[in-house]
Amino acid sequence: GIQVEQSPPDLILQEGANSTLRCNFSDSVNNLQWFHQNPWGQLINLFYIPSGTKQNGRLSATTVATERYSLLYISSSQTTDSGVYFCAVGRLGGGNKLTFGTGTQLKVEL
Amino acid sequence: ETGVTQSPTHLIKTRGQQVTLRCSSQSGHNTVSWYQQALGQGPQFIFQYYREEENGRGNFPPRFSGLQFPNYSSELNVNALELDDSALYLCASSQQGITEAFFGQGTRLTVV
Repeated sequence: GIQVEQSPPDLILQEGANSTLRCNFSDSVNNLQWFHQNPWGQLINLFYIPSGTKQNGRLSATTVATERYSLLYISSSQTTDSGVYFCAVGRLGGGNKLTFGTGTQLKVEL
Repeated sequence: ETGVTQSPTHLIKTRGQQVTLRCSSQSGHNTVSWYQQALGQGPQFIFQYYREEENGRGNFPPRFSGLQFPNYSSELNVNALELDDSALYLCASSQQGITEAFFGQGTRLTVV
């Protein structure tokens, strides 16, 4: 099956700093989503971005499908950005099954 | 528009027992998928239901089974619980095909 790798595994930032999270995948995909998992376990949708670039406030994402990677940018980080960020991918023929990476644990400190 | 809701939020069961978890899909969605997330790991796909039939299954034994109802809500049943079944169980709803999936808040199952 498709492999998804995320980096870095852990990240500690000072409030106000910027960061880039990376997601590499091993095969072509038709679906790519970024999630933020809050401390209570809920996965919050950040971006549905199988290709191209999107922005939502302080967050933006870029997926280069031909090179099999996606980037999530967090600018002017806040303590509320802390948590685990997951990238998940899906392929045609797999229904809407998502394969998740192992996540990036982000901690934003004052 | 209602989001994806799961019940219960927490559950403690004894090894060997059976458990049923429930999920109501988001309005307008006809596909429900279930995922298991062990501590410190990413969610793992269990199976997916579409039109009340299983439509894809991950690497989970047959004691993990499910149902989908005409209103698109779904159940996950796990028989003969094992300690390793302790995890966060997540339900996702979507439209059939490659579309954005939305998750419920999860059910945290502890097997003792």
